[in-house]
Amino acid sequence: EAGVAQSPRYKIIEKRQSVAFWCNPISGHATLYWYQQILGQGPKLLIQFQNNGVVDDSQLPKDRFSAERLKGVDSTLKIQPAKLEDSAVYLCASTSPGRGRTNEKLFFGSGTQLSVL
Amino acid sequence: AQSVAQPEDQVNVAEGNPLTVKCTYSVSGNPYLFWYVQYPNRGLQFLLKYITGDNLVKGSYGFEAEFNKSQTSFHLKKPSALVSDSALYFCAVRGYYRDDKIIFGKGTRLHILP
Repeated sequence: EAGVAQSPRYKIIEKRQSVAFWCNPISGHATLYWYQQILGQGPKLLIQFQNNGVVDDSQLPKDRFSAERLKGVDSTLKIQPAKLEDSAVYLCASTSPGRGRTNEKLFFGSGTQLSVL
Repeated sequence: AQSVAQPEDQVNVAEGNPLTVKCTYSVSGNPYLFWYVQYPNRGLQFLLKYITGDNLVKGSYGFEAEFNKSQTSFHLKKPSALVSDSALYFCAVRGYYRDDKIIFGKGTRLHILP
């Protein structure tokens, strides 16, 4: 079974520039998450999709961050303009919870490490 | 509000000794609890989960975790540590209610000494 694919693996940009990350979840997984992991901290949920609809984006800084999952499969996370504090690893995860939450288990990609200079 | 705490930034254990990585949580209602492991340059991998039932949960790579409701803890354990267990471990919790999110702790670095 192929895992969650993310690209690019690394990205270095200057502040105020824009950047985009791509995620391809495991085939058949309806739920997709974007997490931000700052060095020394645990992953923080940015946005959760169920198919192509947004379930939760309460922690997404909407003035600069945007995400879409147009066909309910691949997803793109964009930052425009980037700030120094956006330097982090951006993780994509997917899951297929099945009935209720008892089967809930997140599958993570390797992440995109963003450095904003 | 949901929260999860991992009080130790790093745990050092000699190979062959038992290991414990601590986790405490706070949620409304019954918790769903998880442990994930992160190896260098790789994404997080699921280790085990507690949903309901037996308080001792067994997971991947010989790890287990004990749910203690009165102490609101979910410590990760292994009877005999391997050098290959060295990694970053994250505890996570989700509350009972439909809109509750999965919240991760800050992580504990486990270092197994050969």
